[in-house]
Amino acid sequence: DGGITQSPKYLFRKEGQNVTLSCEQNLNHDAMYWYRQDPGQGLRLIYYSQIVNDFQKGDIAEGYSVSREKKESFPLTVTSAQKNPTAFYLCASSIGQGARIGYTFGSGTRLTVV
Amino acid sequence: RKEVEQDPGPFNVPEGATVAFNCTYSNSASQSFFWYRQDCRKEPKLLMSVYSSGNEDGRFTAQLNRASQYISLLIRDSKLSDSATYLCVVNPSGSWGKLQFGAGTQVVVTP
Repeated sequence: DGGITQSPKYLFRKEGQNVTLSCEQNLNHDAMYWYRQDPGQGLRLIYYSQIVNDFQKGDIAEGYSVSREKKESFPLTVTSAQKNPTAFYLCASSIGQGARIGYTFGSGTRLTVV
Repeated sequence: RKEVEQDPGPFNVPEGATVAFNCTYSNSASQSFFWYRQDCRKEPKLLMSVYSSGNEDGRFTAQLNRASQYISLLIRDSKLSDSATYLCVVNPSGSWGKLQFGAGTQVVVTP
């Protein structure tokens, strides 16, 4: 079955450490997205990518980096510059202009700073 | 003002009853609208798209009111399994990666 796989499900980061969240999809979707969800807030866009080797900053890109070397993969690195990284991170993908037909989400990664 | 606003609830609904709630959006040029369902500590899942004429999917009915800039979701004959947070999602311009998410309305269906 096609879908989006995020790993790990839970991740613990020490202060000053970079960590990378994995997102893989086998839906043959062109566009991929990273969102952050905090309690009581809507999802906020971190980065998105329309095609391979191209990506754009979202609303809260500071302290994060991404790459899109393959259509199937869109990993997110949370750097030490992100001062408040504890959150639920969601990866999503869509066919073409997904804004018209909605996104498919992965099951998320919960990141906690310890 | 937030771009997409929802009453956080919770809406406590007896099983079998009807519940309805709205979502307001700030950008009058918004083009696409969706309702997503999110269970506790899970990912959002698309419940339904909202069309300008209103649409129905089983017990769920979505309406769009462009003049007043809100969309609504109505759930009839509520089931215990309908307990979740319902996210209102708006595409303000039709462009890539710009979906705006509300913070969600929590619905709790009680026996």
